[in-house]
Amino acid sequence: DAMVIQNPRYQVTQFGKPVTLSCSQTLNHNVMYWYQQKSSQAPKLLFHYYDKDFNNEADTPDNFQSRRPNTSFCFLDIRSPGLGDAAMYLCATSRDQGRAFFGQGTRLTVV
Amino acid sequence: AQSVTQPDIHITVSEGASLELRCNYSYGATPYLFWYVQSPGQGLQLLLKYFSGDTLVQGIKGFEAEFKRSQSSFNLRKPSVHWSDAAEYFCAVGFTSGTYKYIFGTGTRLKVLA
Repeated sequence: DAMVIQNPRYQVTQFGKPVTLSCSQTLNHNVMYWYQQKSSQAPKLLFHYYDKDFNNEADTPDNFQSRRPNTSFCFLDIRSPGLGDAAMYLCATSRDQGRAFFGQGTRLTVV
Repeated sequence: AQSVTQPDIHITVSEGASLELRCNYSYGATPYLFWYVQSPGQGLQLLLKYFSGDTLVQGIKGFEAEFKRSQSSFNLRKPSVHWSDAAEYFCAVGFTSGTYKYIFGTGTRLKVLA
């Protein structure tokens, strides 16, 4: 049974057109992370929520934002996608400092 | 700043040979340590983790890793590699810096020769 679900698995968006990626979890974990992974690179942490507290990485562009309306859901909003934002976006959850559980990822293509 | 280093970008081994993937971290205390495997186009699968206690940890698929505090290392090993082990391997650390964070090394791509 999937525990961290990302929708959609594949997303094609137009250059400059806002896009939202979603992540849901059935684990009731209090921490949710968003990572960006470009081809042949390591996942890069964009931001995470620790409970309701939003923690942005210093080098995450302002173009990227996130919402967490409740424990189960977290969204990644890209306000104006550029070609350089094409990547796999990974959502993960953890309970406090425990291991992270990852979703299957959403592959974003910008055309 | 905290960091995770995987010095080997690519490693090629023959099927049946032993394997060691290196991981070093930079952090003032002992972080939580993890190894993940990723097949092309797939998500990340946890192989094993170290929080405390016995420094030799066993994971899935016959993998093990050893934490060496003096070397700030957490190397992944497997005595006999199978062709299905070909994938990308990521070392990750969890640590507290204001809040809890989880960061990855650059990854090691493993190729297995038949």
